[in-house]
Amino acid sequence: ETGVTQTPRHLVMGMTNKKSLKCEQHLGHNAMYWYKQSAKKPLELMFVYNFKEQTENNSVPSRFSPECPNSSHLFLHLHTLQPEDSALYLCASSQAVNMDTQYFGPGTRLTVL
Amino acid sequence: KQEVTQIPAALSVPEGENLVLNCSFTDSAIYNLQWFRQDPGKGLTSLLLIQSSQREQTSGRLNASLDKSSGRSTLYIAASQPGDSATYLCAVGGFQKLVFGTGTRLLVSP
Repeated sequence: ETGVTQTPRHLVMGMTNKKSLKCEQHLGHNAMYWYKQSAKKPLELMFVYNFKEQTENNSVPSRFSPECPNSSHLFLHLHTLQPEDSALYLCASSQAVNMDTQYFGPGTRLTVL
Repeated sequence: KQEVTQIPAALSVPEGENLVLNCSFTDSAIYNLQWFRQDPGKGLTSLLLIQSSQREQTSGRLNASLDKSSGRSTLYIAASQPGDSATYLCAVGGFQKLVFGTGTRLLVSP
């Protein structure tokens, strides 16, 4: 397995469900990111982790809860989401924040019913 | 607050044409600028990264330029091919974050 992987690729959940998205990077990078891509909108940064520490929370609602147990893994825990949270959620990694190319995973297509 | 605009929103060209995609940004205090490609329903693939001290980067048929003072970048694609059909995204790198444009959807017809 190479690059950045994300599971699941597709997820349908009700508003009362709890689910988690997983991201794993096999590039030896130190920084990881969560982005949200909604239809007709630019990609929005959600969270940044640098050496497992959260360094950026872009005013994301608390129903999204990130977790970074180590530099290779990143989770996004979802709880009581709204239909407007339906989007493509993308994970990315880079060697360091700020200066380096970010490498993206294929994304998880989330639908909230 | 950084804002990134891409023009045109969509572009359709015949195979073989050279083309230019445009990106403009409002705050010139940037770390770098990246161009990405996104195929439908897929993640992003990095094409070129230009650091703030650089003026251009080239990779194969792609050439990206950066003019920080005017807040502009262009992506030049030479001899376009049907396989180049995708959405092209410009992203401006600031402190700990990339700010993306809404993209240019490119269709290259055989």
